[in-house]
Amino acid sequence: QVTLRESGPALVKPTQTLTLTCTFSGFSLSTSGMCVSWVRQPPGKALEWLALIDWDDDKYYSTSLKTRLTISKDTSKNQVVLTMTNMDPVDTATYYCARSYRGVGAFDIWGQGTMVTVSS
Amino acid sequence: EIVMTQSPATLSVSPGERATLSCRASQSVSSNLAWYQQKPGQAPRLLIYGASTRATGIPARFSGSGSGTEFTLTISSLQSEDFAVYYCQQYNNWPPSITFGQGTRLEIK
Repeated sequence: QVTLRESGPALVKPTQTLTLTCTFSGFSLSTSGMCVSWVRQPPGKALEWLALIDWDDDKYYSTSLKTRLTISKDTSKNQVVLTMTNMDPVDTATYYCARSYRGVGAFDIWGQGTMVTVSS
Repeated sequence: EIVMTQSPATLSVSPGERATLSCRASQSVSSNLAWYQQKPGQAPRLLIYGASTRATGIPARFSGSGSGTEFTLTISSLQSEDFAVYYCQQYNNWPPSITFGQGTRLEIK
């Protein structure tokens, strides 16, 4: 059974750096073609893709947020980590991690999401 | 960036009837289009990928069509559990630049 689970702080202050961890099971990120992304959703709003890391450790970022994002993986721990710098109240959202495959970029399995509020 | 536009924003349909949701891309995405269903408090669930292929476990009443810039999700006979928000997503490019539509809320009429 494939599962993903997000973890991280529920509350961060403006200007701080957010670090989120996606811990997954049921697949390996060293398998050719495998990818994990981060997607966020502000309350009542649409989904927004943030970043993707693939089996070959290549990393891709949303154009609008690339200067603030870093994605990394620890294959031995089955984890993907996202950092977002200079957090602002508009970054308040539920953050999801999700799996996809190169060539079939749809996200077939999602974590349950973690809500992050940015407030002083 | 490819912009995805969904219409209508809200669709009111009676149970048992057919629902048709639209998604338009600002430039061709070939068949690299997915549809998701999201219920309150839940993560999105993949329904359709490759514009028309149902994901594992998705009932046959869900079907997708289209290519290029115009796509449709059809739910042939609405069940109570189908009332939710639906998103389209394109994944046309590699390196990826993935974008979602703004969603269509499907509500009970």
